[in-house]
Amino acid sequence: DQQVKQNSPSLSVQEGRISILNCDYTNSMFDYFLWYKKYPAEGPTFLISISSIKDKNEDGRFTVFLNKSAKHLSLHIVPSQPGDSAVYFCAARFSYQLIWGAGTKLIIKP
Amino acid sequence: ETGVTQTPRHLVMGMTNKKSLKCEQHLGHNAMYWYKQSAKKPLELMFVYSLEERVENNSVPSRFSPECPNSSHLFLHLHTLQPEDSALYLCASSQGSRDYEQYFGPGTRLTVT
Repeated sequence: DQQVKQNSPSLSVQEGRISILNCDYTNSMFDYFLWYKKYPAEGPTFLISISSIKDKNEDGRFTVFLNKSAKHLSLHIVPSQPGDSAVYFCAARFSYQLIWGAGTKLIIKP
Repeated sequence: ETGVTQTPRHLVMGMTNKKSLKCEQHLGHNAMYWYKQSAKKPLELMFVYSLEERVENNSVPSRFSPECPNSSHLFLHLHTLQPEDSALYLCASSQGSRDYEQYFGPGTRLTVT
């Protein structure tokens, strides 16, 4: 029973356009939600977080939106750049633990 | 060196072997983690150490044995593994209340034959 789900295994976006990555969760006790990025042969890298009491957090080209009623969060990347091609993981914190989604592979086309 | 390092990067072992994975963090963090990532699956938390004490053990089989001798080093001792234990093993560290911001090593790709 996956508590954090990323339903799109992959996403292809034109360079310069907006990339939107989605994540759904089931546990209303999560207090922080995170996005991590992973390149091949490297470990995941922390990208951005949002507290459960917020609905938006922005950091440069990256914005995370949280819809608690729908138990849904999304990551917007604007504009998308070739270096953004990677696997993106959504994760949520409960107590000591991060619960992870399976990842979405983002491909930025030139 | 900076960040989080892991050795070896690749390991092939038979089911009767004993081996150890090593992780070292150079960030001054006070918590360290072992994760398992199987193909196409989410990362699974195995162990958490905070201030060198184990605070989480997610029902991991006893053939995996962690050791945290100090706040900078973390080991995962492997014994009598099964082929389904083949996976990428990731080490991470974090500091204080920002434990959701974890810094990962590159991982050890383990193959059990």
